[in-house]
Amino acid sequence: GIQVEQSPPDLILQEGANSTLRCNFSDSVNNLQWFHQNPWGQLINLFYIPSGTKQNGRLSATTVATERYSLLYISSSQTTDSGVYFCAVEGKGAGSYQLTFGKGTKLSVIP
Amino acid sequence: NAGVTQTPKFRILKIGQSMTLQCTQDMNHNYMYWYRQDPGMGLKLIYYSVGAGITDKGEVPNGYNVSRSTTEDFPLRLELAAPSQTSVYFCASSWLKGFRVGTGANVLTFGAGSRLTVL
Repeated sequence: GIQVEQSPPDLILQEGANSTLRCNFSDSVNNLQWFHQNPWGQLINLFYIPSGTKQNGRLSATTVATERYSLLYISSSQTTDSGVYFCAVEGKGAGSYQLTFGKGTKLSVIP
Repeated sequence: NAGVTQTPKFRILKIGQSMTLQCTQDMNHNYMYWYRQDPGMGLKLIYYSVGAGITDKGEVPNGYNVSRSTTEDFPLRLELAAPSQTSVYFCASSWLKGFRVGTGANVLTFGAGSRLTVL
């Protein structure tokens, strides 16, 4: 099956700093989503981005499908951005929209 | 609109006991999923369903069973609980009927999770 690698595994930022999280995947994808898991465990979809660039406030994401990676940018980080960020992909031919998750990037934003 | 609701939030089981995790969604989604999340790991798919009466195995189905008698409900049953099933379980749904691929209709919506400990 498709492999998903996220980097870095851990990231500590001072409030106000910017960061880039990376997701590499091993095959062509139909579907790529970024999720944020807050410290209470709730998973929230941030972006549906199988290709191209999207922005939502201080967050933006870019997927370069031909090179098999996606980047999540967080600007002017806030303590509420802390948590784990997951990339999840559905490989072409996987069928039935099964997403494979990476192990995540744990972000800690300190005041 | 409650989204995806899971119960219970916490449960402790003894080895060999059985239980059912309940999941219901009110978004008229076709697809429903059960994932488990172990510490420091991503989510792994246990079972999924593409509609009422249709279920299929994911990556880690052993020790679990599911059913999908209605569009709204997708319970996960643990038979003969084992310590290896200690985990946080997430139910999710997606794919509003009638939407096309690429419209974002297959974005996953997750429940709040159920933390299960088997002792």
